[in-house]
Amino acid sequence: QVQLQESGPGLVKPSETLSLTCTVSGYSVSSGYYWGWIRQPPGKGLEWIGSMYYSGITHYNPSLKSRVTMTVDTSKNQFSLKLSSVTAADTAVYYCARGPLPGWFDPWGQGTLVTVSS
Amino acid sequence: EIVLTQSPGTLSLSPGERATLSCRASQSVSSTYLAWYQQKPGQAPRLLIYGASSRATGTPDRFSGSGSGTDFTLTISRLEPEDFAVYYCQQYSRSPGYTFGQGTKLGIK
Repeated sequence: QVQLQESGPGLVKPSETLSLTCTVSGYSVSSGYYWGWIRQPPGKGLEWIGSMYYSGITHYNPSLKSRVTMTVDTSKNQFSLKLSSVTAADTAVYYCARGPLPGWFDPWGQGTLVTVSS
Repeated sequence: EIVLTQSPGTLSLSPGERATLSCRASQSVSSTYLAWYQQKPGQAPRLLIYGASSRATGTPDRFSGSGSGTDFTLTISRLEPEDFAVYYCQQYSRSPGYTFGQGTKLGIK
């Protein structure tokens, strides 16, 4: 059974960089599939941030592309997200998920709330 | 950018009733990459339907998806208490990638 778990700081200061890690169990990140990040501001809808393949191929949402970096660590079976120059608008629950590209996301991690505030 | 518009925004029904949720795209999308998710409070979204009409593993057969081009529908044939949640549609296109609808909240009447 594939499971994903997000981890990282719950509070980030404005203008700093948000960093999150997704640890995958039950499946090797290097066995295929793309691995993605999606976020959801409190009380709002879902926004795709980006997806990456274990080989390093990345696809980012054009609206966030200038601030997003995704990496993968196959030795730890993890992939990570960095979002730079954050503002209050980046406050959201951040989810990691597995998905083919193109395709859909399944399964998802439980999500982690990141608040941007001084 | 392809915009997905879901209607209605809120739907109030009783257990046992039939629910029909709509997802309309601003331009034609590939049915292959049209999915539906269910999200309950405090939980992550769960994939229900992919490829517009294929049920994901574990999705009860009272859920069905249909549609093509710009109009897609999620139907719940007979509502169970656990079906009351928010539902999102999602599509993939070359640019900008994945987009989601704004969601339909299905509440108990």
